[in-house]
Amino acid sequence: GAVVSQHPSWVICKSGTSVKIECRSLDFQATTMFWYRQFPKQSLMLMATSNEGSKATYEQGVEKDKFLINHASLTLSTLTVTSAHPEDSSFYICSARSGTLAHFGDGTRLSIL
Amino acid sequence: SQQGEEDPQALSIQEGENATMNCSYKTSINNLQWYRQNSGRGLVHLILIRSNEREKHSGRLRVTLDTSKKSSSLLITASRAADTASYFCATDPNTGGFKTIFGAGTRLFVKA
Repeated sequence: GAVVSQHPSWVICKSGTSVKIECRSLDFQATTMFWYRQFPKQSLMLMATSNEGSKATYEQGVEKDKFLINHASLTLSTLTVTSAHPEDSSFYICSARSGTLAHFGDGTRLSIL
Repeated sequence: SQQGEEDPQALSIQEGENATMNCSYKTSINNLQWYRQNSGRGLVHLILIRSNEREKHSGRLRVTLDTSKKSSSLLITASRAADTASYFCATDPNTGGFKTIFGAGTRLFVKA
């Protein structure tokens, strides 16, 4: 079956650091990937749609300069949280489509001290 | 808001009992999916029901879909302690873009 790999699974860093999260489709190509954020005890909120070879589409209220998305190939999208602060601490999950189903990575837990 | 509503927000039952969770959504959809998430972990896909289907079964899971009411339900029969998790419905709106939008989720606790 289709597999989406997300790396790293856990990041702890100091305030002001930029953090890059990778999302890879391992056995299929994905022209579109999606990035979600999940705060504790809440649901997954769609942040942005990552489009291969073009600019990402951001959901309302999501700062594009804060959350940089690069989808440079058909199997890789990256999310960079720039100058991260404690309020950016969250669980970030990516997904990619293969046919009808969306396949999700295992998530990245980001903790900003 | 992106999200649909789910109720209950939290549910606590005894092992062996059935658990029913409900989900409502806002737009026309292509399909609806249910996912499970253990605390702090990734998502596990449980079942997909298409917009032209009304009921679907998978093992101890039964899902219904009522597109006229924009609602779905997930029934877990003969629950086990290992079923303790958060359950989310997710919809693929047919507005294009292939987005998956999640409901607020139900936290299920099954007591042994």
